[in-house]
Amino acid sequence: SQQGEEDPQALSIQEGENATMNCSYKTSINNLQWYRQNSGRGLVHLILIRSNEREKHSGRLRVTLDTSKKSSSLLITASRAADTASYFCATDFYGPGDYKLSFGAGTTVTVRA
Amino acid sequence: DTAVSQTPKYLVTQMGNDKSIKCEQNLGHDTMYWYKQDSKKFLKIMFSYNNKELIINETVPNRFSPKSPDKAHLNLHINSLELGDSAVYFCASSLTGENTIYFGEGSWLTVV
Repeated sequence: SQQGEEDPQALSIQEGENATMNCSYKTSINNLQWYRQNSGRGLVHLILIRSNEREKHSGRLRVTLDTSKKSSSLLITASRAADTASYFCATDFYGPGDYKLSFGAGTTVTVRA
Repeated sequence: DTAVSQTPKYLVTQMGNDKSIKCEQNLGHDTMYWYKQDSKKFLKIMFSYNNKELIINETVPNRFSPKSPDKAHLNLHINSLELGDSAVYFCASSLTGENTIYFGEGSWLTVV
């Protein structure tokens, strides 16, 4: 089953506004990552937050992690048209000899000019 | 360019056919993956290989057979294609000990 679930499924905002999306997951994690997917393209890594971190910043991105609630949020400040994309959270899993990421279905963000 | 590259980008084929998607990475990674993204954008891992050895096989039908001739390549062969196989297939790679996965641009498979 999917590990991460993003909310909302879709978000439409005006350029310059902030966009916030949430991710909930089911089991304990080592790290949580956020990826962006532009239409018709592959996923691109944005930011990683470790399970012992509560907040992380990267440029206009701010990620929070609440392990007690098994949830994370991604905030994009001062959005631009180029931020229009789908955003996925991914939780990692370390098995014996393997590593994999489990993704949700993403939040589709549309930034209107 | 350093990247994960996969071919073809688009593939339209009839039910029952056999097709392959090729993937190569020149990032020096030792782990490669195939992910399937359905029409609702769910991204689900199918296989992962580490140094040419199959590590993860996520209950994918036997019609799907990955092959890794070396750690820079991971191809996906699909036999007897079905309508439900229509999806976008992403190849990806990573380096053991690092958490970031690098994705290819995807291969859009349409079975008619």
